[in-house]
Amino acid sequence: EAGVTQFPSHSVIEKGQTVTLRCDPISGHDNLYWYRRVMGKEIKFLLHFVKESKQDESGMPNNRFLAERTGGTYSTLKVQPAELEDSGVYFCASSRTANRASEKLFFGSGTQLSVL
Amino acid sequence: SQQGEEDPQALSIQEGENATMNCSYKTSINNLQWYRQNSGRGLVHLILIRSNEREKHSGRLRVTLDTSKKSSSLLITASRAADTASYFCATGKGNTPLVFGKGTRLSVIA
Repeated sequence: EAGVTQFPSHSVIEKGQTVTLRCDPISGHDNLYWYRRVMGKEIKFLLHFVKESKQDESGMPNNRFLAERTGGTYSTLKVQPAELEDSGVYFCASSRTANRASEKLFFGSGTQLSVL
Repeated sequence: SQQGEEDPQALSIQEGENATMNCSYKTSINNLQWYRQNSGRGLVHLILIRSNEREKHSGRLRVTLDTSKKSSSLLITASRAADTASYFCATGKGNTPLVFGKGTRLSVIA
């Protein structure tokens, strides 16, 4: 079974540019999550999809971040325009059922985003 | 506010020694999970302990949970170089998303 895959693994962009991150969850996993880790800090929740619907987007920093999951399969996270503080590692995770408190998450390897 | 917070931030031990990492949290939980992250890779789930459990074992891993102190510990026995990684605790409650800490960086020296 293929794991969670993320693309690209690294992205270096200039402030003001746009970047789109992609995540392919494990097949059959309805739940998809985005997390972010800024260097030296905790891994912070961004948002949660159940199939194609946004279940919880309380962690999205601001309206420069847009996440989509068309058709309930892969997801994209677009940052436009990127700012310096957006630098970090963006992780995607998936799980089969919606009860987050008791469900273990399967993570991708992350996208290292550097905004210069 | 931040939930899980691991301690120490970094730990360096010799191969064969035991490694203990701690996690403290602030609010009530349904369960607590530990994850490992090898450099450049994603997080891998290690073990889950529920709020009504006090101790759990999985291979060389032993996890304890003290809900009265709002703390958990992860013990890795007979450590190996391959255990070198960052370890994160994550707390879960109801329908809120898992909340992770900053992690403990463990270095096991051969």
